[in-house]
Amino acid sequence: GAVVSQHPSRVICKSGTSVKIECRSLDFQATTMFWYRQFPKQSLMLMATSNEGSKATYEQGVEKDKFLINHASLTLSTLTVTSAHPEDSSFYICSATAGVSSYEQYFGPGTRLTVT
Amino acid sequence: GEDVEQSLFLSVREGDSSVINCTYTDSSSTYLYWYKQEPGAGLQLLTYIFSNMDMKQDQRLTVLLNKKDKHLSLRIADTQTGDSAIYFCAVLGTASKLTFGTGTRLQVTL
Repeated sequence: GAVVSQHPSRVICKSGTSVKIECRSLDFQATTMFWYRQFPKQSLMLMATSNEGSKATYEQGVEKDKFLINHASLTLSTLTVTSAHPEDSSFYICSATAGVSSYEQYFGPGTRLTVT
Repeated sequence: GEDVEQSLFLSVREGDSSVINCTYTDSSSTYLYWYKQEPGAGLQLLTYIFSNMDMKQDQRLTVLLNKKDKHLSLRIADTQTGDSAIYFCAVLGTASKLTFGTGTRLQVTL
C-alpha cells in the first residue's frame, strides 16, 4: 500500500524558534497533501490543504504566517511552525492523496512537537 | 460545516463484539471511513464505505451505513486486546477534505 513518512517523529524546541516538519509520499505521487493538528485526547483538525506547485489553502482560524506550508514537489510537503510558542505544542499529522478527486488518503505517522 | 459525533468510550470483554457508532450531518458525503489510532501513532485506515452502500464486511469488520439517519457504525467481531485503541470515523466532503469524529476509545478487558 501507499506509504507516507514524516520527519522528525518527535521534536523539542525553545519558544521563539522555528521548526520544520517534512511529509513525504514514498511510493506514489501526491498531488494533494493535508496537514492536521491533534491535541491530546482530541480529534484531528484540518489545518490546510496543499497542492503541488501552488499556495496552500488554510482553514478558518489557522494563521498562514505562523504555519508555513510548502509543497514543492509531488512527494514532499513541509510545515514550518514559525516563532513557536508552548501553545503550539501538539501532534501534527500529514496525509497525502494521489488526486483531488481521490477518495483514499494515506496518513503519516505524525510528529510530536513540544515547545518549551 | 460538517459535524461528526461519536461516543467517547466503549469497554468490551475479549471475544465479544464491539459496536462503535458515529453520526454526521452532511447528507452529500460520498465516502465514510473508519480509522484506528494507537497511542502516539498516526492513523491506520481500517475500512471505508461508499455512500450508495448499506453494508460492507471485511474479515472481522462490518460497516453499516444508514443514510436516512446519517448514522455509521463499525462492528468488530471477536474483539481482541490488540483492538484496544481510539477509533475515528471520518466523512469525505468537497475537495477531498476529511472531517473527523471525536473518536471512541475502545477498551478490551480480559
